[in-house]
Amino acid sequence: AQKITQTQPGMFVQEKEAVTLDCTYDTSDPSYGLFWYKQPSSGEMIFLIYQGSYDQQNATEGRYSLNFQKARKSANLVISASQLGDSAMYFCAMRGDNNNDMRFGAGTRLTVKP
Amino acid sequence: DTEVTQTPKHLVMGMTNKKSLKCEQHMGHRAMYWYKQKAKKPPELMFVYSYEKLSINESVPSRFSPECPNSSLLNLHLHALQPEDSALYLCASSRRPGDDNEKLFFGSGTQLSVL
Repeated sequence: AQKITQTQPGMFVQEKEAVTLDCTYDTSDPSYGLFWYKQPSSGEMIFLIYQGSYDQQNATEGRYSLNFQKARKSANLVISASQLGDSAMYFCAMRGDNNNDMRFGAGTRLTVKP
Repeated sequence: DTEVTQTPKHLVMGMTNKKSLKCEQHMGHRAMYWYKQKAKKPPELMFVYSYEKLSINESVPSRFSPECPNSSLLNLHLHALQPEDSALYLCASSRRPGDDNEKLFFGSGTQLSVL
């Protein structure tokens, strides 16, 4: 069974600073994918970044980067130069190979302060 | 066109009503999903359709009935719901079932209130 853990219910960051959102996971699948989604108050889930379990390099997408430590089973999201529009819920998610589902962690609510 | 479209955006229904939620995508995706999300909680998987066939049913009560008429459409039929079924219902799609690198594309959801 797959398990995703996000231990930070809420985080605050000052505008223009960087912030790290934590995510740990557990799976028996040899191949899996890790995802981060952002959910603003409007409700839509917005895909941010993807990391494959066999990827040698950490994924980056603009201001988003993923700090992937496979041995520790962690996939932390780093947001650089925070903006007010980054205030939202952030969910870490995982899907295993040959799985038709995607499972989500409990989420972290990020608030960016001006 | 990279959108997943859900209708209606809001729905209020009584416990004896029958209603349907609709989801549509024209990206050629072959997997479609229904998630239920309660306030301040993560999305919980309900159903997955792979190549128009139901592949995952997460022990959802029978008052929720999914339907996939074709590869672009996904419906969720609702009947005799309970107040605790009030939630945001999210539809999603992905290109190919079964690949661990396939991200989900989400619709904006239907906010359902059961009175």
